[in-house]
Amino acid sequence: NAGVTQTPKFRILKIGQSMTLQCTQDMNHNYMYWYRQDPGMGLKLIYYSVGAGITDKGEVPNGYNVSRSTTEDFPLRLELAAPSQTSVYFCASRRQTGNQPQHFGDGTRLSIL
Amino acid sequence: QKEVEQNSGPLSVPEGAIASLNCTYSDRVSQSFFWYRQYSGKSPELIMSIYSNGDKEDGRFTAQLNKASQYVSLLIRDSQPSDSATYLCAVSDSNYQLIWGAGTKLIIKP
Repeated sequence: NAGVTQTPKFRILKIGQSMTLQCTQDMNHNYMYWYRQDPGMGLKLIYYSVGAGITDKGEVPNGYNVSRSTTEDFPLRLELAAPSQTSVYFCASRRQTGNQPQHFGDGTRLSIL
Repeated sequence: QKEVEQNSGPLSVPEGAIASLNCTYSDRVSQSFFWYRQYSGKSPELIMSIYSNGDKEDGRFTAQLNKASQYVSLLIRDSQPSDSATYLCAVSDSNYQLIWGAGTKLIIKP
């Protein structure tokens, strides 16, 4: 059981480049999340989805886009990379029932130079 | 603004002692409370969940919840060096989104 899988694990981008961070889960979870975590800080929610075709903004959505065409996949798109987007990105998922915990992928460490 | 507050630490505890980690939250309607452990360079890992007032024990870990005081804590008994990590407190809001604390860094000294 793979759980939540994120790719790539590491990436270096130049300012202005674009990329997509991939996230897939095999637990049939309806709810999926993207967070960023800056050094020594907590998790900040970027976007979330409550099911295929439904996405919504979190606390820090500027500079990012998401899509949810299937239950399994929730990619995060950076269109014009900026140094402020240097961070560790975590994808998480959970079951639909209200009180369920979130389960995390291993993260993507992204540097914008 | 919904907030979850944790002492950033580091909290240094001798091996074998009890480590006590604390968290306060501002949203009175919160229903679900979680403790995650995060090793350096790794992703958060669920340690405990608690939903009702009182204590919940799982092995060496005990979560304590007091909704009247808006306070949740995590006790780690017989602390081991492998318990050294950052512990994140997460509290659900009315939409079941999690509000995260910044974490407490715990160091267990051999």
